[in-house]
Amino acid sequence: EDQVTQSPEALRLQEGESSSLNCSYTVSGLRGLFWYRQDPGKGPEFLFTLYSAGEEKEKERLKATLTKKESFLHITAPKPEDSATYLCAVQAGTNAGKSTFGDGTTLTVKP
Amino acid sequence: DTGVSQDPRHKITKRGQNVTFRCDPISEHNRLYWYRQTLGQGPEFLTYFQNEAQLEKSRLLSDRFSAERPKGSFSTLEIQRTEQGDSAMYLCASSSDRRATGELFFGEGSRLTVL
Repeated sequence: EDQVTQSPEALRLQEGESSSLNCSYTVSGLRGLFWYRQDPGKGPEFLFTLYSAGEEKEKERLKATLTKKESFLHITAPKPEDSATYLCAVQAGTNAGKSTFGDGTTLTVKP
Repeated sequence: DTGVSQDPRHKITKRGQNVTFRCDPISEHNRLYWYRQTLGQGPEFLTYFQNEAQLEKSRLLSDRFSAERPKGSFSTLEIQRTEQGDSAMYLCASSSDRRATGELFFGEGSRLTVL
């Protein structure tokens, strides 16, 4: 069964203090790895898709990278508005519809 | 693009009652998904439609849960004989077949509380 583990569970940063979030996965036949942002009381918002090891995607202060066993979401010089829960999800094998999500990392950025 | 719309946003019911949630996907999206999320957990897959066909259903989904997508447009998720363990946020998402199946656009969810 596909498994996704995110760490840390919570991360508190000062504004401008860069850091990384980790997503480790165990799947049979990765078809794609996806990052989402979720604000309290809202549905997740899609950020990135990564397909193969070595791939990188960037958006503003966020950069996602992928290896054969894990993905990192790097946050450079974060701002308070980056505070949210960041979710990682995978699709694998023949499951064309199902995404398996991790439990997320809750990021708090203090001004 | 008006986004994915879910109704109702909040539902409080008594144990044993039936509830139904509605989801209106982004108009040009032919794929529709239902997920369930509890506090502190990631979304858990329930079921997936491509157009009007229900192609995948979680093994975790008991027979008290049923979903439909008549005519490939809006979808409904019904929970019969609700239990306290059904309390959760029910999320609907849609996507286009021009994008990867994992690139989901979520609604704001329907929060269910079973007393």
